[in-house]
Amino acid sequence: LAKTTQPISMDSYEGQEVNITCSHNNIATNDYITWYQQFPSQGPRFIIQGYKTKVTNEVASLFIPADRKSSTLSLPRVSLSDTAVYYCLVGDLSSGSARQLTFGSGTQLTVLP
Amino acid sequence: DGGITQSPKYLFRKEGQNVTLSCEQNLNHDAMYWYRQDPGQGLRLIYYSQIVNDFQKGDIAEGYSVSREKKESFPLTVTSAQKNPTAFYLCASSPLPGTETYEQYFGPGTRLTVT
Repeated sequence: LAKTTQPISMDSYEGQEVNITCSHNNIATNDYITWYQQFPSQGPRFIIQGYKTKVTNEVASLFIPADRKSSTLSLPRVSLSDTAVYYCLVGDLSSGSARQLTFGSGTQLTVLP
Repeated sequence: DGGITQSPKYLFRKEGQNVTLSCEQNLNHDAMYWYRQDPGQGLRLIYYSQIVNDFQKGDIAEGYSVSREKKESFPLTVTSAQKNPTAFYLCASSPLPGTETYEQYFGPGTRLTVT
């Protein structure tokens, strides 16, 4: 399984765009990149998933360069309610096996007023 | 209203007692998972199951047991053999990987305290 490295914590202010980068130098050909958000005492929630280039949905964008050795989760105009832990996961989604995702320690994002 | 339910939300037990955590899903997902989370840490996989009557050990299965008699249910038993059982336990379900978007859906969690 590809190992991921993320910053332990980040601070931002309300209304700013936040970019959280994840390093995954040994990503494999079939690996996808997925980001989850977790609030205290709750289960993680899926944010976005991608394989290459750029993926955008209603809450975030995911930028993946051509070499796929890193990825950046972009949260536009954050609010106080975006304060949470964000996890970057890398795993093979083509194998049909459920045992493919590993959660690291994540990035604690704190949005300040 | 589809989702995953875990009960109870808080559970207190004395050391040496076995305890079973409930997890039910009505999302018709094939795969189910149990994770453990300690304060300030990420999630660690305990057990997972891809099909009824079959399950696989995760990274930290020692001291835990599971069953998968029904597709909707995946209870976790924390046995007295588990050295440090106090933790936040999360159950999740998902379709099997291989679809274009693979997403795990998590329950609200059970906070177990053993004294």
